Amino acid sequence: GAGVSQSPRYKVAKRGQDVALRCDPISGHVSLFWYQQALGQGPEFLTYFQNEAQLDKSGLPSDRFFAERPEGSVSTLKIQRTQQEDSAVYLCASSLAGPANEQYFGPGTRLTVT
Amino acid sequence: GENVEQHPSTLSVQEGDSAVIKCTYSDSASNYFPWYKQELGKRPQLIIDIRSNVGEKKDQRIAVTLNKTAKHFSLHITETQPEDSAVYFCAASTGGGNKLTFGTGTQLKVEL
Repeated sequence: GAGVSQSPRYKVAKRGQDVALRCDPISGHVSLFWYQQALGQGPEFLTYFQNEAQLDKSGLPSDRFFAERPEGSVSTLKIQRTQQEDSAVYLCASSLAGPANEQYFGPGTRLTVT
Repeated sequence: GENVEQHPSTLSVQEGDSAVIKCTYSDSASNYFPWYKQELGKRPQLIIDIRSNVGEKKDQRIAVTLNKTAKHFSLHITETQPEDSAVYFCAASTGGGNKLTFGTGTQLKVEL
């Protein structure tokens, strides 16, 4: 079946602009995660949804970052007033609920803030 | 919170040789340890994982071992091929849909 998809794949924003990144998880996957991957680093956790409930947002770096998943499927990560340090690849992952914890990643959105 | 350390950061082997990547973790509650392969510009791909109720798992040329007492786990790739060249990440979580904490990655290069 179809994997996790993300859009746009690339986004260039001028400092101060707002951006919205979309994630379409694998159908039927209850859990959805957002990670930030800086160049040459491992992914770092941002936030986690189980269905429409945001259960963990401890990784969001500032209140400029906001995520939602209103219908328990598609999720949007919004970054307000972008800064240069926000430049990174934003990865979305989804998984089934329960002890089986395999997370499947999307291709990511590469955000460049100029 | 959980902290995962990974080494080496780069690893160069000859085709056909074995490669070993090691990770340590800090949270004794962690019970799920996946390994991801990431090619340049691509998504991380799950290649193998292990849960804390087993000490070793093998899938063709890839194996993972886990030592819960010492809090370390390792990825073993045998008979390496050029297409194994990529960045490999280890990760740890407490399972049940919880977040993954990743290591810093190992750039594996398999030379002809």
